[in-house]
Amino acid sequence: QQQVKQSPQSLIVQKGGISIINCAYENTAFDYFPWYQQFPGKGPALLIAIRPDVSEKKEGRFTISFNKSAKQFSLHIMDSQPGDSATYFCAASENSGAGSYQLTFGKGTKLSVIP
Amino acid sequence: EAGVAQSPRYKIIEKRQSVAFWCNPISGHATLYWYQQILGQGPKLLIQFQNNGVVDDSQLPKDRFSAERLKGVDSTLKIQPAKLEDSAVYLCASSLSVNLATNEKLFFGSGTQLSVL
Repeated sequence: QQQVKQSPQSLIVQKGGISIINCAYENTAFDYFPWYQQFPGKGPALLIAIRPDVSEKKEGRFTISFNKSAKQFSLHIMDSQPGDSATYFCAASENSGAGSYQLTFGKGTKLSVIP
Repeated sequence: EAGVAQSPRYKIIEKRQSVAFWCNPISGHATLYWYQQILGQGPKLLIQFQNNGVVDDSQLPKDRFSAERLKGVDSTLKIQPAKLEDSAVYLCASSLSVNLATNEKLFFGSGTQLSVL
């Protein structure tokens, strides 16, 4: 059962354009929504994260938009650069009990930014 | 600051053989995680340690996978015997969180790429 659905699977964007990646979830117990960036041969690295009491969070060129009623959240990369070419994962976190918070990842979006 | 160290970087084995992966977390990080990342998918949690105790191993295939974290620092993940479907990248991650209130600030290692032939 895929708890976090991510789309698109791949994305090609021109340099300077806006990259948009979407995620949807069903589990209303999720209370934290991070995005991770992964370059080939490297582990994922935290990019930006949001909590459900906020509808938008911006850090530099990266913005998360969160729609609690629709159970959807998205990552927007403004002024996309070739260096942004990587795989992006959305994730969601819930307390699985005994103080353990688990991250559930989406399947990832491979972003290619072409010059 | 040194990151999460993992070794080996690559491993190729035949099915039914055994294999072990090693992880050294960021100094001072109490919580350590092992994730499995199959090609084209997101990481999936296998086991979570708090110091040297297991917090969550519900998704660990315990008939063939085992993990330990002696002295609350380094950790090893073992597969015995390996199956073809175990081919994946095995990622170790650590976090500073002691009270487990949140695990959002995970720091991942570069992983061990396992190929089972």
